[in-house]
Amino acid sequence: NAGVTQTPKFRVLKTGQSMTLLCAQDMNHEYMYWYRQDPGMGLRLIHYSVGEGTTAKGEVPDGYNVSRLKKQNFLLGLESAAPSQTSVYFCASSYGGPGPNEQYFGPGTRLTVT
Amino acid sequence: AQSVSQHNHHVILSEAASLELGCNYSYGGTVNLFWYVQYPGQHLQLLLKYFSGDPLVKGIKGFEAEFIKSKFSFNLRKPSVQWSDTAEYFCAVMPLVSGTYKYIFGTGTRLKVLA
Repeated sequence: NAGVTQTPKFRVLKTGQSMTLLCAQDMNHEYMYWYRQDPGMGLRLIHYSVGEGTTAKGEVPDGYNVSRLKKQNFLLGLESAAPSQTSVYFCASSYGGPGPNEQYFGPGTRLTVT
Repeated sequence: AQSVSQHNHHVILSEAASLELGCNYSYGGTVNLFWYVQYPGQHLQLLLKYFSGDPLVKGIKGFEAEFIKSKFSFNLRKPSVQWSDTAEYFCAVMPLVSGTYKYIFGTGTRLKVLA
């Protein structure tokens, strides 16, 4: 099992450009999440999904959109990148059933917006 | 709003010293609790979790944590740290609200262990 994978690992964008980050999981998890990690601020939830075809806003959704067309994939889009979106982005998944739903994290995408 | 506080932002210890990292949360209902570790340049990995039962939970690499419901705390401990424990540690809380599985993370504690 690859677990949770993210593409790309690194990216540099100019202000105003768009891009899509791909997250894939092979654990048949129902729930998937996108976080951003900034120094001194921990992980902040951008958007999440509780199943195929569903998405919901997290703590910091502005400037981002997501889609979950297939259960195993969760895409994060930046329509018009801004320097404030420079961050490390982590995708995570959890199985979503009863019990302690630990999250499994991907390796992260380091995005720089100039 | 629900929140998780990790009061120690940076901790420096010598090898063999004991470690205790604080975690407090603000939510009055039932919660699942987690500690994650992020080694330099890597993604977050689960150290331990609490769901129910014995409030003292043991995790990997000799870590343990104690859930004290009356104090809304879930502090992480290790009796004797090693240089390889140098990492950032995150406490996370999942309030058990029907139909949602959202996690709230603390801001992290960066631990440096001196050899």
